[in-house]
Amino acid sequence: KAGVTQTPRYLIKTRGQQVTLSCSPISGHRSVSWYQQTPGQGLQFLFEYFSETQRNKGNFPGRFSGRQFSNSRSEMNVSTLELGDSALYLCASSTELTGLNTEAFFGQGTRLTVV
Amino acid sequence: AQSVTQLDSHVSVSEGTPVLLRCNYSSSYSPSLFWYVQHPNKGLQLLLKYTSAATLVKGINGFEAEFKKSETSFHLTKPSAHMSDAAEYFCVVSDSSNYQLIWGAGTKLIIKP
Repeated sequence: KAGVTQTPRYLIKTRGQQVTLSCSPISGHRSVSWYQQTPGQGLQFLFEYFSETQRNKGNFPGRFSGRQFSNSRSEMNVSTLELGDSALYLCASSTELTGLNTEAFFGQGTRLTVV
Repeated sequence: AQSVTQLDSHVSVSEGTPVLLRCNYSSSYSPSLFWYVQHPNKGLQLLLKYTSAATLVKGINGFEAEFKKSETSFHLTKPSAHMSDAAEYFCVVSDSSNYQLIWGAGTKLIIKP
């Protein structure tokens, strides 16, 4: 069974640009969550989608947005990039909402560098 | 609100000696608790989870954790460290009021040969 796939693995963008990251969950999983991981802040929750609806959102500005398609694949978009957005962005999929005690399966992440 | 505190940012042990990674949580509800591990350049992987069944939970790779309600702790242990255990470990609590996972700051486990 294929795992969670995130593309691209690495990205370099310039301040002010926008970026779209993609996540393909494990087949049959309906929940996709996104996290930002930085050395200083650790793992920060961005948002969770379930059956194409955003069910939870963390404390990030509106520049961070996402969506989920009918096949459960998800995209995350960051507009007007800032240097502080440089981070590893992780996607996790699960069968149910992660807060319902189900195991979350993580992709290897997309390393975004903003210059 | 629920929260989780990992008491050590780094833990260093010699190969073959016991491992103890400490985690304390605060929760208004009966919590569900998890430990995840992140090896260098790899994704996060579930080690074990507690969901109000047995208080001693066994996970993969010889790790186990004990839920102690009176101490609000969920410490991770392993009797004998192996070089392959070098990684970052995260303690996580599930907030059933809003279906979010609350992550600890992580503990880097260093194994000395």
